Amino acid sequence: KAGVTQTPRYLIKTRGQQVTLSCSPISGHRSVSWYQQTPGQGLQFLFEYFSETQRNKGNFPGRFSGRQFSNSRSEMNVSTLELGDSALYLCASSSTGVGKAYGYTFGSGTRLTVV
Amino acid sequence: GDSVTQMEGPVTLSEEAFLTINCTYTATGYPSLFWYVQYPGEGLQLLLKATKADDKGSNKGFEATYRKETTSFHLEKGSVQVSDSAVYFCALSDRSGKEYGNKLVFGAGTILRVKS
Repeated sequence: KAGVTQTPRYLIKTRGQQVTLSCSPISGHRSVSWYQQTPGQGLQFLFEYFSETQRNKGNFPGRFSGRQFSNSRSEMNVSTLELGDSALYLCASSSTGVGKAYGYTFGSGTRLTVV
Repeated sequence: GDSVTQMEGPVTLSEEAFLTINCTYTATGYPSLFWYVQYPGEGLQLLLKATKADDKGSNKGFEATYRKETTSFHLEKGSVQVSDSAVYFCALSDRSGKEYGNKLVFGAGTILRVKS
């Protein structure tokens, strides 16, 4: 059974550019969440999608956005990149439904460097 | 809001030593609790979980018991190996209340270094 796949693994962008990251969840999983990991702030929740609907959103500026497609694949977009956006972006998928949480499977992440 | 507090690291142990990493939490609802492990250059792997009070999660020799009275979920292993060197994250997910959707709140992580 394939795991959570994130592409690309590494990315270097210039300040002011925008970037799109992709996440393919485990087959059958309908919930996809995104997290940002930095040395200073640790792991922070960005947003979560279930059946193409954003159900939950973290405390990030509007430059961070996401979407989910009918096949459960998800993308997140960061516009007008800032140096502080350099981080490891992790995607997690889960088979659980509303209001329940029994485990999440994470991908290997996309390492974004903004120069 | 919900929060997780872990003991600061790094924790340095000799091989076959006993490991404890403390984790306490604050939650308004009734959370599920998790330990995740992250090896260098990789994403997070679920190590173990517990979904209700007094549940014990276990995997690969690691154990943690959900203690509601002390709001704790300490990670233990009787005999660590060099291969256990990694960063360990305690996390919670609040399953109650009006906030739907799956969201994990993580502790800061504890670096474990095991020497041979």
